[in-house]
Amino acid sequence: NAGVTQTPKFRVLKTGQSMTLLCAQDMNHEYMYWYRQDPGMGLRLIHYSVGEGTTAKGEVPDGYNVSRLKKQNFLLGLESAAPSQTSVYFCASTSDSPQKKYTGELFFGEGSRLTVL
Amino acid sequence: RKEVEQDPGPFNVPEGATVAFNCTYSNSASQSFFWYRQDCRKEPKLLMSVYSSGNEDGRFTAQLNRASQYISLLIRDSKLSDSATYLCVVNMINTGRRALTFGSGTRLQVQP
Repeated sequence: NAGVTQTPKFRVLKTGQSMTLLCAQDMNHEYMYWYRQDPGMGLRLIHYSVGEGTTAKGEVPDGYNVSRLKKQNFLLGLESAAPSQTSVYFCASTSDSPQKKYTGELFFGEGSRLTVL
Repeated sequence: RKEVEQDPGPFNVPEGATVAFNCTYSNSASQSFFWYRQDCRKEPKLLMSVYSSGNEDGRFTAQLNRASQYISLLIRDSKLSDSATYLCVVNMINTGRRALTFGSGTRLQVQP
């Protein structure tokens, strides 16, 4: 079972370059999320989506953009990378929805390690 | 103040020991609580939910104290395989989004 797949897994960028992280899930989940994880900071929510065609800001959205053109894909874009965006990025999805009993279970991808020089 | 606070540890314990972690949260309107486990350089995975009445899953016991706004995780008879970082997670539904807020984690190292 593929679950949640993130590409690429590793990337090194120079300051000012742009890139896109792709997240794909094959579980037909409505909700998808992008988090970043930094030492001592825990996971912080960047953006999220509650369904195809929708996106919303999390707690640290600046410098990132997202798109959810297809239900199974959630893209995270960095338009002009900065060293402060060096981090591990996790995509997650959940089967939770307002129509279902809340389980709080997120399914995460393996992470994408991004270094901005 | 962080919304979810945890002692980063590390907690170094021998095999067979009992160890407990606490976590405090700042938003009294928080409604759902969880413990996730994250192995080194891996993704987080749900360990267990935390219910108001307390709940147990094998060697793991989770408790919630709403009055004091803290959550605890107790691990009995620690195994080497329990070595990981344990993340306290809270759902703050009143923020208007259905997203989880993570603590920075408590690292556990079980030693032979």
